[in-house]
Amino acid sequence: EVQLVESGGNLEQPGGSLRLSCVVSGFTFITYSMNWVRQAPGKGLEWVSFINGRGNTMYYADSVKGRFTISRDNAKNSLYLQMNSLRGEDTAVYYCVRDYQWLLSDWGQGTLVTVSS
Amino acid sequence: QSALTQPRSVSGSPGQSVTISCTGTSSDVGGYNYVSWYQQHPGKAPKMIYAVTERPSGVPDRFSGSKSGNTASLTISGLQAEDEADYYCCSYAGSYSWVFGGGTRLTVL
Repeated sequence: EVQLVESGGNLEQPGGSLRLSCVVSGFTFITYSMNWVRQAPGKGLEWVSFINGRGNTMYYADSVKGRFTISRDNAKNSLYLQMNSLRGEDTAVYYCVRDYQWLLSDWGQGTLVTVSS
Repeated sequence: QSALTQPRSVSGSPGQSVTISCTGTSSDVGGYNYVSWYQQHPGKAPKMIYAVTERPSGVPDRFSGSKSGNTASLTISGLQAEDEADYYCCSYAGSYSWVFGGGTRLTVL
C-alpha cells in the first residue's frame, strides 16, 4: 500500500523558515518524481514544486521561486520542502504527492503551515 | 499559469447524473493528454478518481471523464449521497508544472 506521511507544519512568523518532511512507503521511491501541492484555508489546490527521482531536477511555482527548496533523500525514502522568507499567503495545508506518468496520483494527508505574527 | 475554469457549484438528486466542466488552454488541457480529476471531502486529502481515460482501481464506474479540445469533463452518474464533495480538475502544463481548476462543490439534493 502506498503511504505518504507529511510532518513539520507549524505556526511561524512572517519572514521565518520551516522545513516540511514526507516519509513514503509501499513503492520504490527513487523511481518516482514527487511534488508538493498546497491548499490555503477554504481555497483550491495549487501546485508548488517538482523533483525528479534522482533529485537533480527541480521546478517551482512562481509564487515560491527563490524562497522554497525541494529536496529528497532516497536512502531515507523522504521528501523535503525548505520554506524560507515565509509570508501570510503561504498559510496552507501542504501535501506530498507522488507523480505517476505526469499525473498527481497519490497524496499524503497533509501538514498545516500557518504564517502569522 | 492561470487556473483552469470550473463551475463553482453543481447539484443533482440521488440517481441523477451531473457533469463538471474544466476549461483550460492549448498550453495545458488542450496541449497534453494528462488531465486528472480529484474528489475531496471536508477535512480530507484529495483523491484521484479519474485520469486521462481511466479510473484508478477501486473507483466506481459511475465516474467517467472525457476531453475535447481545451475542455475536459467529469460525469458522475447514479448520484449517491457520498458523492457530495469538492471536485478539482488538474492538467499538466509543461515544463514540469501542473495547474488546477478552482474547484466545484457538488451538492446531492
